[in-house]
Amino acid sequence: EAAVTQSPRNKVTVTGGNVTLSCRQTNSHNYMYWYRQDTGHGLRLIHYSYGAGNLQIGDVPDGYKATRTTQEDFFLLLELASPSQTSLYFCASSDGVEQYFGPGTRLTVL
Amino acid sequence: SQWGEENLQALSIQEGEDVTMNCSYKTYTTVVHWYRQDSGRGPALIILIRSNEREKRSGRLRATLDTSSQSSSLSITAAQCEDTAVYFCATDRAGGYKVVFGSGTRLLVSP
Repeated sequence: EAAVTQSPRNKVTVTGGNVTLSCRQTNSHNYMYWYRQDTGHGLRLIHYSYGAGNLQIGDVPDGYKATRTTQEDFFLLLELASPSQTSLYFCASSDGVEQYFGPGTRLTVL
Repeated sequence: SQWGEENLQALSIQEGEDVTMNCSYKTYTTVVHWYRQDSGRGPALIILIRSNEREKRSGRLRATLDTSSQSSSLSITAAQCEDTAVYFCATDRAGGYKVVFGSGTRLLVSP
């Protein structure tokens, strides 16, 4: 059974739209992460969290908010989506050593 | 080699060949991770080497770490078609809880 799940798997929105990406982990890990992956590039860290209610800023946070409601759930919010945010988004959880990734959400902003 | 804003590197080899992928990093790290990403999936850890280790093996995989030159390598012996994937190196920041990924190497193994 998948330990990190993401929803939706695919999302299309328009410029200026609101989008929420969801992530749930059943690993009982304290750390959770949101990354974006663009063609030809590695994964870039948007936000991360070390527990419910905690939020840490990553390397490419502009245009993104995040919220960690429980140990299991981590959400990424795009309140005014722009075409530059078209990307593949991955959520991960970590035990402090290894990162366990979800299957990804492909977001297209028209 | 891969890091930072470099474009994705690509390697194409025949089945049975050996291959080495290189990674250099800019800041101190206590560990180098190597992840593999199959098409349509998230990355998965395949080998991890710590700063007090010079070499680590796992099956046909061999990772090396040179802290003086801040570089690491991942070698695959006798590559197989199922080794086709994108391989990322990654290093730790913030005491290990923030991981920074390189740009990746796309490996294609043909029969």
